[in-house]
Amino acid sequence: DGGITQSPKYLFRKEGQNVTLSCEQNLNHDAMYWYRQDPGQGLRLIYYSQIVNDFQKGDIAEGYSVSREKKESFPLTVTSAQKNPTAFYLCASTPGAGTYEQYFGPGTRLTVT
Amino acid sequence: AQTVTQSQPEMSVQEAETVTLSCTYDTSESNYYLFWYKQPPSRQMILVIRQEAYKQQNATENRFSVNFQKAAKSFSLKISDSQLGDTAMYFCAFLGYKLTFGKGTLLTVNP
Repeated sequence: DGGITQSPKYLFRKEGQNVTLSCEQNLNHDAMYWYRQDPGQGLRLIYYSQIVNDFQKGDIAEGYSVSREKKESFPLTVTSAQKNPTAFYLCASTPGAGTYEQYFGPGTRLTVT
Repeated sequence: AQTVTQSQPEMSVQEAETVTLSCTYDTSESNYYLFWYKQPPSRQMILVIRQEAYKQQNATENRFSVNFQKAAKSFSLKISDSQLGDTAMYFCAFLGYKLTFGKGTLLTVNP
């Protein structure tokens, strides 16, 4: 079945450590996105990529980094510079940028203590 | 800048009844798309319905329909014959040059 996978579902880290969240899609979609979800905040865009080897900052990119070396993969690294990293992270993809609705992965809950 | 406002943080409805969730948006763009997404307790985001701004006809998907008022920049979601499985957080989203989400409305369907 085609879809988006995110692993793991729950992730725990100590403060000061970098952590990488995985996002893989087999939908052959060109564009991929990372969102952060906090209670009462809706979804906020962290980074997005419209094509391999290219990505752009979203609204809240500080403290995060991404790479897009393969079309199907868009990992997100939460660095120690991110002041409040505990959140629910959602990955999404679309066939291309523009007019398409986004398909979402199941999300990763990151807890940093 | 584009903004999306959902003025009802929480709502509840009895099973089999109808409920309407409100959404307003602000944009200077003329071509755009609007969506309603559902996020049940599993937290998986699921597309409920989509509306193209250039279409005057309101979108409908089974028990879900929208009331799209372009001049008023309003995009409400009506759920008919509510079911227990409709209990979820509902997000309104606007797609212009980027996708912007509202803060969500938590809908609880009571038996």
